[in-house]
Amino acid sequence: GQQLNQSPQSMFIQEGEDVSMNCTSSSIFNTWLWYKQEPGEGPVLLIALYKAGELTSNGRLTAQFGITRKDSFLNISASIPSDVGIYFCAGHTTGNQFYFGTGTSLTVIP
Amino acid sequence: EAGVVQSPRYKIIEKKQPVAFWCNPISGHNTLYWYLQNLGQGPELLIRYENEEAVDDSQLPKDRFSAERLKGVDSTLKIQPAELGDSAVYLCASSGDRGETQYFGPGTRLLVL
Repeated sequence: GQQLNQSPQSMFIQEGEDVSMNCTSSSIFNTWLWYKQEPGEGPVLLIALYKAGELTSNGRLTAQFGITRKDSFLNISASIPSDVGIYFCAGHTTGNQFYFGTGTSLTVIP
Repeated sequence: EAGVVQSPRYKIIEKKQPVAFWCNPISGHNTLYWYLQNLGQGPELLIRYENEEAVDDSQLPKDRFSAERLKGVDSTLKIQPAELGDSAVYLCASSGDRGETQYFGPGTRLLVL
């Protein structure tokens, strides 16, 4: 199946720094979702975006639905050690299908 | 509200043995998904149900994999016989009427020896 282009693949940052990651696709999506997955667990939904251009925040997380509907961005401000994990983007189509990115592995150094 | 429930959480079997995974979606969610997740990869769809109907099973290896959702609520995914390459995480997810937001269970980690 199709997998979205997600970058960067991994990040090693100092605690307190801001983080940015993005996801791009050759296809248009109606919804963009961002998930976080920790070892031994399933992905947990962080933010859902439903309209092109939408900017949504959830605490220190901010995500945007790209105007072209082919990309999305996730920013984490003032990172803390518990932000460690793998972040996945997902796009949803009118055919009720979800496609996932390859993940961004985040390591926060105290 | 309870989330998506999956069992078992972990399973170790020998190759050629059968194995089954169970999923109970969020109450009221009509759409249920089974995904395969390999190490370092995002989830990949195996099968999608709308109520009791399998509407997308194009990626399900039907020679050894089968799934059912008889009453349109909980679902079972089976592998028979298991192969070494089946070692992975099997994730179940569900979505509600609008279908735009999907919630995952904790997954079943399968190791085939």
